[in-house]
Amino acid sequence: EVQLVESGGGLVQPGGSLRLSCAASGLTFSDYGMSWVRQAPGKGLEWVANIKKDGSEKYYVDSVKGRFSISRDNAKNSLYLQMNNVRAEDTAVYYCARGAKSFGYWGQGTLVTVSS
Amino acid sequence: QSVLTQPPSVSAAPGQKVTISCSGRSSNIGNNYVSWYQQFPGTAPKLLIYENDKRPSVIPDRFSGSKSGTSATLGITGLQTGDEADYYCGTWDSSLSAGVFGGGTKLTVL
Repeated sequence: EVQLVESGGGLVQPGGSLRLSCAASGLTFSDYGMSWVRQAPGKGLEWVANIKKDGSEKYYVDSVKGRFSISRDNAKNSLYLQMNNVRAEDTAVYYCARGAKSFGYWGQGTLVTVSS
Repeated sequence: QSVLTQPPSVSAAPGQKVTISCSGRSSNIGNNYVSWYQQFPGTAPKLLIYENDKRPSVIPDRFSGSKSGTSATLGITGLQTGDEADYYCGTWDSSLSAGVFGGGTKLTVL
């Protein structure tokens, strides 16, 4: 059974940093591109970033370029999202998802709240 | 304002059929596969349709997908009250080099 478990969310001040992690099991992690998708409270889904299976290519939504960085460690079956200089509008549930363009499995999400 | 356009809400009676549209442009739907997701309140989204019209093995054949030009459609037949959820279309936008979603459609089964 594929499982994706996010962690690292919490309350952070504007301008602060946070690192989200996603632990994958039940799949050959290195065979798949991976993505982060977020959902602000009461809002729709927003794709944030993806990374190819070998980490060679990464793409970001414009609103996080230069502030967020996606990475992975295939030896640890883990995906990461480094969030720097966060803003109030980054407040959302962040989901880790299997796939770079279509998302076959999703984690349960981790809530990031940006507030002073 | 989402890149892909979906109706905010649709409704139909139990047992009936409903369709949900998703409109885009050549840089996204026109030249990339479309996926559809179902989301119940407080839970993670679930993949219903991938590559325009393919269903994961666990998804019943009451759910179907199609694409024509720069639009895609999700169809649900034999509606059940348990189908009440939010539905999202998604694809890749080759001009933006980014993933894009529709704004979501809330399905009500009356």
